[in-house]
Amino acid sequence: AQTVTQSQPEMSVQEAETVTLSCTYDTSENNYYLFWYKQPPSRQMILVIRQEAYKQQNATENRFSVNFQKAAKSFSLKISDSQLGDTAMYFCAFMDSNYQLIWGAGTKLIIKP
Amino acid sequence: NAGVTQTPKFQVLKTGQSMTLQCAQDMNHEYMSWYRQDPGMGLRLIHYSVGAGITDQGEVPNGYNVSRSTTEDFPLRLLSAAPSQTSVYFCASSYSWNYYGYTFGSGTRLTVV
Repeated sequence: AQTVTQSQPEMSVQEAETVTLSCTYDTSENNYYLFWYKQPPSRQMILVIRQEAYKQQNATENRFSVNFQKAAKSFSLKISDSQLGDTAMYFCAFMDSNYQLIWGAGTKLIIKP
Repeated sequence: NAGVTQTPKFQVLKTGQSMTLQCAQDMNHEYMSWYRQDPGMGLRLIHYSVGAGITDQGEVPNGYNVSRSTTEDFPLRLLSAAPSQTSVYFCASSYSWNYYGYTFGSGTRLTVV
């Protein structure tokens, strides 16, 4: 069965610092999608970034970038110049060949002023 | 464009009561799904639908029923509420079952006492 593991239950950094959230997954599939979602206290699930497994280039969205290591089945999220509004739960998710999402347990990120 | 609308946002039930969580989308999405979110765990799929009149079970379907009589609506019914069903429930929709982009509702926090 496919699994997604986020090994950091909680992290905190100072505002403007860079932080990296870890995610590993287990699958035997070759083509799939990986996602990072942000869930602020409002509970809304917000897509941060998406990576297609067939693309070697790491996805980037403004201050958010990923380090996708397909062979190692690793998909970390880097947040640069962190802001107070980045405080949230962050979930890593894997989309299998049936287009179903499998979720990690989440990392609580706190940005301190 | 309202996206995915979930009602109610909060609900308290007594053990044994039944209720329906509502989910509606106005994007003409074919695919709709229900997840539950529990502390320390990722989202888990309860039921999903690939189109009007078609539903199927996800990972944790016991205690829940769904129907999809229209493209827009996908209600989730709790038949006889149990404390184990205390959770946050999310509805999500997508253009098609085989499309990577999901839109999430803002969730319903359900407490069963």
